Amino acid sequence: EIVLTQSPVTLSLSPGERATLSCRASQSVSGYFAWYQLKPGQAPRLLIYEVSNRATGIPARFSGSGSGTDFTLTISSLEPEDFAVYYCQQRSNWAAYSFGQGTKLEIK
Amino acid sequence: QLQLQESGPGLVQPSETLSLTCTVSGGSISSAGHYWGWIRQPPGKGLEWIGSIFYSGSTYYSPSLKSRVSMSVDTSKNQFSLKLSSVTAADTAIYNCVRQDKKVGAGDYWGQGTLVTVSS
Repeated sequence: EIVLTQSPVTLSLSPGERATLSCRASQSVSGYFAWYQLKPGQAPRLLIYEVSNRATGIPARFSGSGSGTDFTLTISSLEPEDFAVYYCQQRSNWAAYSFGQGTKLEIK
Repeated sequence: QLQLQESGPGLVQPSETLSLTCTVSGGSISSAGHYWGWIRQPPGKGLEWIGSIFYSGSTYYSPSLKSRVSMSVDTSKNQFSLKLSSVTAADTAIYNCVRQDKKVGAGDYWGQGTLVTVSS
């Protein structure tokens, strides 16, 4: 089972700043790598799929990158609505999924 | 617009079986391009994949839950279901059903989630 470790656990930034969230896999993963945003009382929202593709309706300030075991979600200029918890997720070739433990992005 | 809605008891007794159903509307569950999955989030913790099912009935379960999980699909009702046996307080969580795109390996449509509490 592939374990995903996200860092930092908590990231404190101000609106307008750049956010960089990391996710490291315990072994090399396929291209099935995604990022989600989770807000209290809401369903998770798909942001990025296949490492770097923005999902429908996701603003251009969100971008994903990486390969192998190291992946990054970047938010170029934080908006007030971006403060939330972010999860990375991978899917293996045999349809098993795993999530990171989450990074909480909070207002500084 | 595709919508998913979870339903089932909000309270389950310890050692009993948790049963949830997800009803899909606005689209067909018999899609060759998608899996249908269950994800949960215990209070104060992160997301955990429970398992996924294909419309044909093929199932894929989390190794850590495999011994207690069973999923099924009813294409005539456009529903899929989850059963989790021998529950304990550790199974208390918000349970979400999700459509997972087979090609890109991500969940693109989610239900709002339902809180299931395991308590006597």
